[in-house]
Amino acid sequence: EAQVTQNPRYLITVTGKKLTVTCSQNMNHEYMSWYRQDPGLGLRQIYYSMNVEVTDKGDVPEGYKVSRKEKRNFPLILESPSPNQTSLYFCASTPDRGQWGTEAFFGQGTRLTVV
Amino acid sequence: QQQVKQSPQSLIVQKGGISIINCAYENTAFDYFPWYQQFPGKGPALLIAIRPDVSEKKEGRFTISFNKSAKQFSLHIMDSQPGDSATYFCAASGDTGFQKLVFGTGTRLLVSP
Repeated sequence: EAQVTQNPRYLITVTGKKLTVTCSQNMNHEYMSWYRQDPGLGLRQIYYSMNVEVTDKGDVPEGYKVSRKEKRNFPLILESPSPNQTSLYFCASTPDRGQWGTEAFFGQGTRLTVV
Repeated sequence: QQQVKQSPQSLIVQKGGISIINCAYENTAFDYFPWYQQFPGKGPALLIAIRPDVSEKKEGRFTISFNKSAKQFSLHIMDSQPGDSATYFCAASGDTGFQKLVFGTGTRLLVSP
């Protein structure tokens, strides 16, 4: 089954404790992105990757890091989480640079709470 | 600054009624306007999309209306069903494609039985 898998689904952590949210896709997609979803703000892009070892900032990259060492994996790293990073996070992938009609596939989401 | 403005924030419609969600954009370089549907506990999933050279696209009970001159587009759900209850996001992107997909703030739709 074609899918984007995120882990963990739920995470409660304390301020300053480094964490990683994993994302893996089995569709051989080139493009992957991370979004955060907050009430009233919709989905905002954090980082995206166009291919292995190629990443770039989205609209809200502060406090986050990413890496793309393998095509299928795109982990999101919070080196020193703060309460304002409490949010619902989504990973997404798409097979090419997003020419018209290309569908983005989203993971199930990771609900992160930083206390 | 929100590049895609979506309204209303929430919507309650009776079963069988028409649900209408509106979006407006500023960037004239946008050329791809998808709508995503999100059920509780799930990620968003593509529902329907339109290109700016057509004014309307229909897929089943779902219709996108597009007004290029006004820079507005809307989603109409005909004969709304309780199973349509979800959060709907409009989005837009330009020639940079998916990696710059900009989402609206979302509309939580509740269809009452």
